Amino acid sequence: DAGITQSPRYKITETGRQVTLMCHQTWSHSYMFWYRQDLGHGLRLIYYSAAADITDKGEVPDGYVVSRSKTENFPLTLESATRSQTSVYFCASSRPGQGQNEKLFFGSGTQLSVL
Amino acid sequence: GQQLNQSPQSMFIQEGEDVSMNCTSSSIFNTWLWYKQDPGEGPVLLIALYKAGELTSNGRLTAQFGTTRKDSFLNISASIPSDVGIYFCAGPIYNQGGKLIFGQGTELSVKP
Repeated sequence: DAGITQSPRYKITETGRQVTLMCHQTWSHSYMFWYRQDLGHGLRLIYYSAAADITDKGEVPDGYVVSRSKTENFPLTLESATRSQTSVYFCASSRPGQGQNEKLFFGSGTQLSVL
Repeated sequence: GQQLNQSPQSMFIQEGEDVSMNCTSSSIFNTWLWYKQDPGEGPVLLIALYKAGELTSNGRLTAQFGTTRKDSFLNISASIPSDVGIYFCAGPIYNQGGKLIFGQGTELSVKP
């Protein structure tokens, strides 16, 4: 039972470079999410997806792009990384249904440093 | 927009002590959730609350859904070193199925 996996675990990049963070889940959950975690801000939603080919912005979407061509994958791309995007990024998934869609399952996170 | 405020932001306690933390909002929530994040890992759901006034336990953890529906509380009894981590409250964003808003977290340190 692999669950939800993120890669890479750690990434260092330079300002202006494009970076893609990967997220893969084996449960066939409909919903997938990207959150970023910063000190003092908790977890903030970047983008989410209700199903393949359906994505929507969250609270802090600027500078990020997502796609979801397959149910199991939900990559997050920083088109031109900035220092303010240094953060820990978490992917999560859930399945629809009363009492279920709010139970998120998180990956272990990607720690991204933009120099 | 909806916001969740957690307090305290951090706690340093001795092993064996009881812990209380809370989460408040200016908006009503129909569901309250408590997650725990171990160091270096993603958050894991501890307790889900669905009804105002509801009290639910999970081992040494007890959470309550406030009667005003604008707050929730988490208590940990007889803390142990593995309770260390960040505790987040969360609630569903109104009318946007599946999306959660999280509080800023309460960081718990337990001294053996």
